[in-house]
Amino acid sequence: GAVVSQHPSWVICKSGTSVKIECRSLDFQATTMFWYRQFPKQSLMLMATSNEGSKATYEQGVEKDKFLINHASLTLSTLTVTSAHPEDSSFYICSARRDREGSYEQYFGPGTRLTVT
Amino acid sequence: GQQLNQSPQSMFIQEGEDVSMNCTSSSIFNTWLWYKQDPGEGPVLLIALYKAGELTSNGRLTAQFGITRKDSFLNISASIPSDVGIYFCAGQLGFSGGYNKLIFGAGTRLAVHP
Repeated sequence: GAVVSQHPSWVICKSGTSVKIECRSLDFQATTMFWYRQFPKQSLMLMATSNEGSKATYEQGVEKDKFLINHASLTLSTLTVTSAHPEDSSFYICSARRDREGSYEQYFGPGTRLTVT
Repeated sequence: GQQLNQSPQSMFIQEGEDVSMNCTSSSIFNTWLWYKQDPGEGPVLLIALYKAGELTSNGRLTAQFGITRKDSFLNISASIPSDVGIYFCAGQLGFSGGYNKLIFGAGTRLAVHP
C-alpha cells in the first residue's frame, strides 16, 4: 500500500507555455499533498502544501500565480507551471500524507523532470 | 527557520560494512522519517519514528528517535551494492496546520564498493 504516482514522468516544453503535472495517491486518500522541487545534488525544497477542498499554502518565495495548485479530490492534486521559463527546469516531486491513527507518513511520487527550452 | 543537520554528507564503504548516519536539530520534532532516493526517482520511505526513544528496524536498517526529540540516527548493517543512493532524514513538528510539513536534511550520499 501507500503508492503515489505522478504524470508525466518527464516533459519538455517551450518557453512561455504551461505544463500540468498530476499527483495521485493510488491506494489511500490524502487530504494533504505536498509539492517539492529538487535541484541536482540538493535536498528537497517544499513549494506548497495542497489541501483538498481549499486553497494551497505556498512557502515563502514561491509565486502562487506561477505555480497553480488544485487539489480537487482526495486522490488527486495538480501543479501547473504557467508561462514556463528555462529557470523553471527542475525535478518536481509530490508527496501524499497518509493519515492513520498515531501516524502521518508522507509517501512520495516518482517525480517529474521538467525541461523548458 | 528550522534546520536539520545531517551527517556525514557522503560515505564510501566496502560491501559488508555497517553504515551510520544521523540528523540533529535545535527544534523538537514529533516525527522523524528516513527516506532513500535513487537517481531520477522520488524518495522512498524507509522508517518512520513517532516516540522519543523509539528504536525501529526494517530488515538491515535500524533507526532511533532520540530521547531529546532533537535527533535521530539510521544504521545499515552488512551493506550491499543496492544500498547505494542518497539517504534523507526528515522531521515533522506536528500534525496540523503549518506543522505538518516535513523539514529535510541535506542528505547522505552512500557509495558501496563491491
